[in-house]
Amino acid sequence: AQSVTQPDIHITVSEGASLELRCNYSYGATPYLFWYVQSPGQGLQLLLKYFSGDTLVQGIKGFEAEFKRSQSSFNLRKPSVHWSDAAEYFCAVGAFSSGYSTLTFGKGTMLLVSP
Amino acid sequence: NAGVTQTPKFQVLKTGQSMTLQCAQDMNHNSMYWYRQDPGMGLRLIYYSASEGTTDKGEVPNGYNVSRLNKREFSLRLESAAPSQTSVYFCASSEALKGGYTFGSGTRLTVV
Repeated sequence: AQSVTQPDIHITVSEGASLELRCNYSYGATPYLFWYVQSPGQGLQLLLKYFSGDTLVQGIKGFEAEFKRSQSSFNLRKPSVHWSDAAEYFCAVGAFSSGYSTLTFGKGTMLLVSP
Repeated sequence: NAGVTQTPKFQVLKTGQSMTLQCAQDMNHNSMYWYRQDPGMGLRLIYYSASEGTTDKGEVPNGYNVSRLNKREFSLRLESAAPSQTSVYFCASSEALKGGYTFGSGTRLTVV
C-alpha cells in the first residue's frame, strides 16, 4: 500500500523568504503525486500534480515541485513567500488498487508566515 | 460553477443519533469519495465510489454507510453517531486520477 510522509508538522518562514516543504512517498510503481493547500475553514485546493514527463512541475500561485525518484521525494518550493501563503499543505500519492484509483494523503505541514 | 457541494456545513449530534451528509457534484465526474480530517491525522478515506452503482470501503469505514444515488450524488450516513466520529468530513470527485480530486468545502460534525 502507498504512504506519504511529511516530516515537518509546522514551518515558519519570513515573508519574502524562500520555502521548501518536504514530502516522501512509498509506492511500488511510478506514482501520481499531488500537492494541495487548505486555508482555515476551507476545502482543499490543488496546487500542482505530477504523473510523468518533466520532473519539475509548475503549479498555481508561484509554487513548483520536483519529483526525485531516487529519493522518493516530491518537495514543494516557492522562491518568495507572501503572507497569504499561510495555510496547511498536504502532499498526496495516487495509486491504483483493484482497478480503482484513490489518493493517500500525508498528515500535512502548517505554514506560518512572519512579517 | 459550483463544483462539489456539501450540506450541511455544520452539525451537532447527540451520541446515538443518526444523520446523512449530502454531497453533489456538477462536473460529470465518475468517481466520488468521502474523507474525514482530524488534527494531526491528515485526510483518511472512508468510502469511495469508482462509478455510479459501485461503492467500496476505504481506510476507516466502520460506523459509516454510503449511497451513490446517481452520478451526481454520493451520501454518507452515520447510523448511530459516536464522539469518535467528531471530525471534518470532505467529499471529493474526480474524472481520472491524473486530474486529481476536486473537494467540497467540508462538513464540521460534532458528536456530544
